[in-house]
Amino acid sequence: DVKVTQSSRYLVKRTGEKVFLECVQDMDHENMFWYRQDPGLGLRLIYFSYDVKMKEKGDIPEGYSVSREKKERFSLILESASTNQTSMYLCASSSLRVYQPQHFGDGTRLSIL
Amino acid sequence: DQQVKQNSPSLSVQEGRISILNCDYTNSMFDYFLWYKKYPAEGPTFLISISSIKDKNEDGRFTVFLNKSAKHLSLHIVPSQPGDSAVYFCAVAAGNQFYFGTGTSLTVIP
Repeated sequence: DVKVTQSSRYLVKRTGEKVFLECVQDMDHENMFWYRQDPGLGLRLIYFSYDVKMKEKGDIPEGYSVSREKKERFSLILESASTNQTSMYLCASSSLRVYQPQHFGDGTRLSIL
Repeated sequence: DQQVKQNSPSLSVQEGRISILNCDYTNSMFDYFLWYKKYPAEGPTFLISISSIKDKNEDGRFTVFLNKSAKHLSLHIVPSQPGDSAVYFCAVAAGNQFYFGTGTSLTVIP
C-alpha cells in the first residue's frame, strides 16, 4: 500500500512566520502535489513536481514555494504566513504512468493567527 | 473556471438503498476519471476509476458510469451502508493534471 506521510496533523503559527510543511512518500513515485482544501472550494492545486528539483505552479501558487531535493520528499513553504492561508493542506503522490490515481496523506490543518 | 462540478453538496440515503453521486466536467480532453472518499480529519482515499475507453467499471458495491457525450460521471453505491457516510470527491484527469470537484457529503441513515 502507498504511504504518504505529512509531518504534522495540526499546526498553529503566527502571521508573518515562515512555515514549512513536509511530505514523504514511500512508493518511489515521480509525481508529488500540494493542495489546499477549503469549504465549498474543493481541492485546489498549489504546486506540483515531476522530478527531483523540478516544480510547476498550480492554480494558486501565490504566497507559497516548494522544494524537492529528494524523490521521496516534497516540502511546501509559506514564505510569510497570512491569515488567509489558514486551511487544510493535502500532499499527494502518483506514478508517472498514465491512468494512475493520486494517493493522499492525512493532511495538515494549519491555523495562522 | 471550474473544470469539474458536483452540484449536490449533500445527499441522504437509507441504509440498503442505492446512493447515486453525480459529477459534470467541461472539457472533452479529460480521459481518466476517479472517485475519492474522505472521512473527517483524514486525507481522500482513492475509491474507483475509469478511463475514457470504457463506460462502466465495477468494484464490489461501487460502480462508476461515464457518459462522454454528456460529460457526466456518476458513482453508484449499492447497497449503501452507514460506513459509507463520508464526503465523495470526483476527479478528472488529462495526463498528470488532475482537477477535483467540491465534494458531496453522503449520509447513510441506519
